[in-house]
Amino acid sequence: AQSVTQPDIHITVSEGASLELRCNYSYGATPYLFWYVQSPGQGLQLLLKYFSGDTLVQGIKGFEAEFKRSQSSFNLRKPSVHWSDAAEYFCAVGGGLTGGGNKLTFGTGTQLKVEL
Amino acid sequence: GAVVSQHPSWVICKSGTSVKIECRSLDFQATTMFWYRQFPKQSLMLMATSNEGSKATYEQGVEKDKFLINHASLTLSTLTVTSAHPEDSSFYICSAEGPYYNEQFFGPGTRLTVL
Repeated sequence: AQSVTQPDIHITVSEGASLELRCNYSYGATPYLFWYVQSPGQGLQLLLKYFSGDTLVQGIKGFEAEFKRSQSSFNLRKPSVHWSDAAEYFCAVGGGLTGGGNKLTFGTGTQLKVEL
Repeated sequence: GAVVSQHPSWVICKSGTSVKIECRSLDFQATTMFWYRQFPKQSLMLMATSNEGSKATYEQGVEKDKFLINHASLTLSTLTVTSAHPEDSSFYICSAEGPYYNEQFFGPGTRLTVL
């Protein structure tokens, strides 16, 4: 069974500082990996995804993530955080099949707070 | 492109009544739609997967008779919470599998409060 662990429930960083959100996954084959951001009361917005190829993936809003197979990790990074980045971040793994679609399993999320 | 809408965005109902939530893919055809439930400050839990024209596939522990899912067309799936109770209060989010392989597009969610 696929699973995702986000070890940090809350993270606080100062505006302008760098950010790294951790994500570890468990999956039997090559996973499809995603990072989503959710603002309060909103749905999810895709930041970036990894299917194959280059292990360093660039996303929207200046985010990037690196797939490390040996560590089963897909950590999200941003070199300089903006106050508007404060939100909940979810890592997800896909690749299983249920009912014809591609099932996603989400981590528990990391709440990012940005101090001005 | 690849926009998913949900309606209503917020609903309050009395205990014992039924509530229908619509999920629409606005600019693409979605052969598969997913329904998630999210409790406050928690992750998304997949409830069911719905395919156009066929019965939904429910995750273990999800009551099929309570959460009725209908996927009548390639752009519309509905979730009906039957005989709702306060414990059904939650944030319900749908997603649709879009034109790019293995990517889901998410709706903005529906906040259900059962009094």
